[in-house]
Amino acid sequence: QKEVEQNSGPLSVPEGAIASLNCTYSDRGSQSFFWYRQYSGKSPELIMSIYSNGDKEDGRFTAQLNKASQYVSLLIRDSQPSDSATYLCAGGTRSGGSNYKLTFGKGTLLTVNP
Amino acid sequence: EAGVVQSPRYKIIEKKQPVAFWCNPISGHNTLYWYRQNLGQGPELLIRYENEEAVDDSQLPKDRFSAERLKGVDSTLKIQPAELGDSAVYLCASSLGTVSYEQYFGPGTRLTVT
Repeated sequence: QKEVEQNSGPLSVPEGAIASLNCTYSDRGSQSFFWYRQYSGKSPELIMSIYSNGDKEDGRFTAQLNKASQYVSLLIRDSQPSDSATYLCAGGTRSGGSNYKLTFGKGTLLTVNP
Repeated sequence: EAGVVQSPRYKIIEKKQPVAFWCNPISGHNTLYWYRQNLGQGPELLIRYENEEAVDDSQLPKDRFSAERLKGVDSTLKIQPAELGDSAVYLCASSLGTVSYEQYFGPGTRLTVT
């Protein structure tokens, strides 16, 4: 069973702090990784995608990928109460032709306290 | 650009009744996905379409679930008959497929089976 593991949390940080969300994956064939934000009662919203080892920055968000360690992380700088949500990590694996599958973790609940 | 559209947003039915969900993907997205999300879990793929073709339905409970995407655009997911364990949020997502694997979700349909 190919899995994506996340700490379920909750992760609580004060406003203005850096929130660090972590994810590990078991399938070494995974080639693409995504972070989704899901507010309570809403659907997942794509916030970051990363395909290569290293860091990718977009505004207050930085995604980090280490394929050797099978590890993906999301850093949120200057956390705001509006960042309070569940963050889903997903890994994508392409296995020939058009066969592609995205596997989601269970999500980490982040709470940013004012 | 309009996002993924789903209807209905909420549905309450009694067990053994049929139910259908409809999805209209982002214009130009030839890949369409149906997911099911249970509380506290990440989305789980039910079926993936490339245009009209169902290319991955390995996780679709075929004894009671069916799906179609007749003209390669809109899609319908049906459950007949519904069971109590089918209560979940049914999410539709779309992507550009082999051009980009980034998936964008619709608002979902929250199904309650009583």
